[in-house]
Amino acid sequence: GEDVEQSLFLSVREGDSSVINCTYTDSSSTYLYWYKQEPGAGLQLLTYIFSNMDMKQDQRLTVLLNKKDKHLSLRIADTQTGDSAIYFCAERRYSSASKIIFGSGTRLSIRP
Amino acid sequence: KAGVTQTPRYLIKTRGQQVTLSCSPISGHRSVSWYQQTPGQGLQFLFEYFSETQRNKGNFPGRFSGRQFSNSRSEMNVSTLELGDSALYLCASSLATGEAYEQYFGPGTRLTVT
Repeated sequence: GEDVEQSLFLSVREGDSSVINCTYTDSSSTYLYWYKQEPGAGLQLLTYIFSNMDMKQDQRLTVLLNKKDKHLSLRIADTQTGDSAIYFCAERRYSSASKIIFGSGTRLSIRP
Repeated sequence: KAGVTQTPRYLIKTRGQQVTLSCSPISGHRSVSWYQQTPGQGLQFLFEYFSETQRNKGNFPGRFSGRQFSNSRSEMNVSTLELGDSALYLCASSLATGEAYEQYFGPGTRLTVT
């Protein structure tokens, strides 16, 4: 199927690390993305990982990819109130390269 | 460099009407994709245009159509609007077509059908 699955909600304390998880179904996925959407705004590309990589780090963001389990995660270190948003995991497949398949999004809320 | 722009940002239409949304890609980008975002269905791919040609199409009825101009600007049209067409319509541009090219999204057009 085409499903990309994410949990709907995550609440973390300010300053802690947030880990947002995602599973996908198609082993032919080539690129896997994390997008951020703030209220009333479009999607902001945060980071992406190519399917032959296991990990990618970009400042406070760390992406881990487990191809065997088809599991992708996004870790946000030192979570701040400005990180409150919906985070979408997405995949792109070689078979339909122009189409991105999105997960349902994880709403991240920050507790003081 | 300016980002992807979409006009209008908000639109209210009544059932049965038609609507045209516009997207201007990042300068130099030649591929434009359209997505529909609703609370129930999430983000769904509508279609992609590259060099004025439709390259890929999602599972939407023929009431949804689009086109791309020689300057890479794109429009999408929805005819005979239904209540279920109420959504945020997002446009994304990339340098070229293909999975190696990142897509950058605009702020969207919020369409409300009454």
